[in-house]
Amino acid sequence: ILNVEQSPQSLHVQEGDSTNFTCSFPSSNFYALHWYRWETAKSPEALFVMTLNGDEKKKGQISATLNTKEGYSYLYIKGSQPEDSATYLCAPFGSAGKLIFGQGTTLQVKP
Amino acid sequence: DTAVSQTPKYLVTQMGNDKSIKCEQNLGHDTMYWYKQDSKKFLKIMFSYNNKELIINETVPNRFSPKSPDKAHLNLHINSLELGDSAVYFCASSDAGGGRISPLHFGNGTRLTVT
Repeated sequence: ILNVEQSPQSLHVQEGDSTNFTCSFPSSNFYALHWYRWETAKSPEALFVMTLNGDEKKKGQISATLNTKEGYSYLYIKGSQPEDSATYLCAPFGSAGKLIFGQGTTLQVKP
Repeated sequence: DTAVSQTPKYLVTQMGNDKSIKCEQNLGHDTMYWYKQDSKKFLKIMFSYNNKELIINETVPNRFSPKSPDKAHLNLHINSLELGDSAVYFCASSDAGGGRISPLHFGNGTRLTVT
């Protein structure tokens, strides 16, 4: 069973601040790491799927890095906007053949 | 057009009843899933079907039975509902690969309340 931990659990920042959060997962039997963005009253939406150690993906002001050897991924948001307020979920895909979701980091960006 | 749609959005019912939640995807995906958002807000997989074939069947009570009439549909039937079944249930789909490198596309969820 994979243990997926995301930190911090919640984060409050001011508009314009840059922020980052962490996803930790067991590094053995790793195949891929997914990041999802989940706005209140909506459904989770995929941001990135990463597979290779050292991968870096970017979508607008959001970027993510992956370290498969030590079992972590960082998600960065540059210049946060109120519309970035959401819960960000990570989910590694391992030898169990399924995605294991973390509890998420809930970001609130104040105008 | 909604890519993954599930109905109903809200379902309030009494203990002991049998209910179904329907899910349809128009993305042409081969794999469909049912997830349950538990009391701690974790998304936990319940079932996964690939091209109408069951490939993941987590440890859920056998009162829960998925049915996939074709690869675009995956319905969830729940018998003898219990209070503890109250949760939000999400349907999702992905390309072949079972979600390994293909992102999941989620429906908007069905909030089930058992009274």
